[in-house]
Amino acid sequence: EAQVTQNPRYLITVTGKKLTVTCSQNMNHEYMSWYRQDPGLGLRQIYYSMNVEVTDKGDVPEGYKVSRKEKRNFPLILESPSPNQTSLYFCASRRTSGSQQSYEQYFGPGTRLTVT
Amino acid sequence: RKEVEQDPGPFNVPEGATVAFNCTYSNSASQSFFWYRQDCRKEPKLLMSVYSSGNEDGRFTAQLNRASQYISLLIRDSKLSDSATYLCVVRGIKAAGNKLTFGGGTRVLVKP
Repeated sequence: EAQVTQNPRYLITVTGKKLTVTCSQNMNHEYMSWYRQDPGLGLRQIYYSMNVEVTDKGDVPEGYKVSRKEKRNFPLILESPSPNQTSLYFCASRRTSGSQQSYEQYFGPGTRLTVT
Repeated sequence: RKEVEQDPGPFNVPEGATVAFNCTYSNSASQSFFWYRQDCRKEPKLLMSVYSSGNEDGRFTAQLNRASQYISLLIRDSKLSDSATYLCVVRGIKAAGNKLTFGGGTRVLVKP
């Protein structure tokens, strides 16, 4: 089954304690991305990766890091989480070229993060 | 001005009725368009692509108006299960990495 997986699904942590949210896809997609979703603000892109070892900032990258050492994995790292990073996070993947249908973006189930 | 704008709603729709809503985009060079559906606290999923000539998928019809820079979604014979948030998505040009930009979503509540 084609899917994007994220772990953990729920996380409560304290300010300053480093954490990593993992993301993995089994569709051999080149493009992977992280979003955060907040009420009234919609989905905002944090970082994206066009392929292995190629990452770039999205619209709200401050306070986050990513890496893309393997095609299937794209972890999101919060070195020193703060309460304003409390949010619902989605990982996503898709192809980078082809017909319009090939741009369908597949999302993981989401990670609900609370930073106290 | 936001790149992709939607009326947040909610649109309260009686079961069986028709509902339609629009999404406007600011970049005239946008390449392609989509509607995604998101259920509460779940991940967004592709509902349908939007083609220049308009397209239909069962009870759902999507239209694109490039001149006025908007897309629309119409739902006929609304079902209770259509209650969700509908996200408008616009793909940018290749030079910008084919970036997908999401609207804030339109919430639809179908009631008995």
